[in-house]
Amino acid sequence: SAVISQKPSRDICQRGTSLTIQCQVDSQVTMMFWYRQQPGQSLTLIATANQGSEATYESGFVIDKFPISRPNLTFSTLTVSNMSPEDSSIYLCSVGQGANEQFFGPGTRLTVL
Amino acid sequence: GENVEQHPSTLSVQEGDSAVIKCTYSDSASNYFPWYKQELGKRPQLIIDIRSNVGEKKDQRIAVTLNKTAKHFSLHITETQPEDSAVYFCAASGGGGADGLTFGKGTHLIIQP
Repeated sequence: SAVISQKPSRDICQRGTSLTIQCQVDSQVTMMFWYRQQPGQSLTLIATANQGSEATYESGFVIDKFPISRPNLTFSTLTVSNMSPEDSSIYLCSVGQGANEQFFGPGTRLTVL
Repeated sequence: GENVEQHPSTLSVQEGDSAVIKCTYSDSASNYFPWYKQELGKRPQLIIDIRSNVGEKKDQRIAVTLNKTAKHFSLHITETQPEDSAVYFCAASGGGGADGLTFGKGTHLIIQP
């Protein structure tokens, strides 16, 4: 399967600031997704990152708070804007391969003070 | 949208015994059902999946069954070993043509020596 990397692996940020998380894949993939995993919880889909068009957001997530870019088939970014302590989570990108399989990146652990 | 329920939240079994984790889904249009294993501090790993045109799938000590009529699917692990200890998540996708995954809340599997 594809090798997926994320930067940064972790960060501690002040409330009111923004952080951009990068997801890089070593091969071209059609589908890329962003998920959030709050401490001790399950994974929640934030959005589907569409190449060449605006991301598709799930209910409860909006573009102003979580802008996403997908400039090509190997790269995507997620920005967490105007952060508050409630945004402290692990943010994971995933890529779709095969018919439906999704594989996850290592995640970015974000702490907001 | 899709809703996935997962039970139990914690499961403790003796080493060598079998473990069964059950999930139900709400959207009859969902057609892809993966299972992920997540060890502490690591990314979710895809361990097995099943599509709606199949009733059962096996891979060595793990198997997944799907009952489309009842809208439930289960993970079976036989001959459990200490390295099976982890959190297991079920998920569903495909409803409405969407490829993003909706996850259950997870099951913490503890293998007692």
